[in-house]
Amino acid sequence: DIQMTQSPSSLSASIGDRLTITCRASQGINTYLAWFQQRPGKAPRSLIYGASYLQSGVPSRFSGSGSGTDFTLTISNLQPEDFATYYCQHYDSYPFTFGGGTKVEIK
Amino acid sequence: EVQLLESGGGLVQPGGSLRLSCAASGFTFSSYAIIWVRQAPGKGLEWVSTMGVSFRNTYYADSVKGRFTISRDNSKNTVYLQMDSLRVDDTATYYCAKGRVSGWDGGDRWGQGTLVTVSS
Repeated sequence: DIQMTQSPSSLSASIGDRLTITCRASQGINTYLAWFQQRPGKAPRSLIYGASYLQSGVPSRFSGSGSGTDFTLTISNLQPEDFATYYCQHYDSYPFTFGGGTKVEIK
Repeated sequence: EVQLLESGGGLVQPGGSLRLSCAASGFTFSSYAIIWVRQAPGKGLEWVSTMGVSFRNTYYADSVKGRFTISRDNSKNTVYLQMDSLRVDDTATYYCAKGRVSGWDGGDRWGQGTLVTVSS
């Protein structure tokens, strides 16, 4: 099975900051990677697919990059509604495992 | 508007069964994959099962294989997750989500979730 490791597990940031979250796969997954946002008490929301393609309706301050084993989610100009937990998930081969999550908190 | 609505959660004793439903609307249901993802209290997301567009295309996490069965009824725009031999560690909120295409590639819509509690 492919393991997904996210870092950091949590971070503190301020409104307007630029932050980067990393996701590493235990083996190459091409660009079969998605990112999700989950606000407290809410369902997950799909943000990015194919490592770098934004879902419809997702603000352009979100961006994704990477291929193979190393991926990043970048949020520019952090907004109040961006404070949430972010997860990566690969869909290269079953099982489609998630990373452990990165909680973004207000500094 | 695309909507997914889960139902069927509740309190069940260990060893018991539940059937979750994911009712869909606002899109051509038969053309898209549906997945189930769960989240134990205070924990992260765990992929549980995928239902592809073909009835033969079903996949399960090892943790539920042999106990859970996913199925779809295109006439009712609904995907089901039959959960048997439930264990305490199956306690979680279960979400269904719609694929962007006939397979899963991160999806584009999620339901609000249904809580399953397995306890004596």
